[in-house]
Amino acid sequence: EVQFVQSGAEMKKPGESLKISCKGSGYKFANFWIGWVRQRPGKGLEWMGVIYAGDSETRYGPSFQGEVTISVDKDISTAYLQIKNLKASDTAIYYCGRSNWGFDYWGQGTPVSVSS
Amino acid sequence: EVELTQSPGTLSLSPGETATLSCRASEKVRGNFLAWYQQKPGQTPRLLIFGASFRATGIVERFSGSGSETDFTLTISRLEPEDFAMYYCQQYGSSPHTFGQGTKVE
Repeated sequence: EVQFVQSGAEMKKPGESLKISCKGSGYKFANFWIGWVRQRPGKGLEWMGVIYAGDSETRYGPSFQGEVTISVDKDISTAYLQIKNLKASDTAIYYCGRSNWGFDYWGQGTPVSVSS
Repeated sequence: EVELTQSPGTLSLSPGETATLSCRASEKVRGNFLAWYQQKPGQTPRLLIFGASFRATGIVERFSGSGSETDFTLTISRLEPEDFAMYYCQQYGSSPHTFGQGTKVE
């Protein structure tokens, strides 16, 4: 069974950094793209970017280029989303998923709250 | 960047009726690589349709997708109580793989 398990909820202060993990299982991790999606409170889905687990080729959405870093460690089947210099507007749920003809499998989401 | 506009913003229907959701792209979606998702409050999105018209694994036949190039439709026949939710389209034909803003079926 394909599954993604994300790291737990985070509470941060403005200016701090964050790294969320997303561990995949049940399929050949290195053969697929993994993507990240942001959902702010009460808002829609925003595509942040994707990474190919086999060679770490990465693509970012224009709003996220330079603002976040997506990485992967294929040896432990885990993708990461790093955000530095957090702002209140980064408060959201962050989802990872397998980008395969759309996102066919999703992680459970990681809620992030940024507040002073 | 391909912009997706979903309409209507909210669709008010009763169980047993048919929901017709629209997703319009600002330019042709390459390969008709268009997906639809359902999201219920407090839950993770679920893939319903990929490639504009192919049902994802485990999705019942009441959900159907159609359209091509710039105009796509998700049709939900004989609405069941569990179908009342938010629905999003996404194009994955060109990067960035943008989402529409969503349609709420209430």
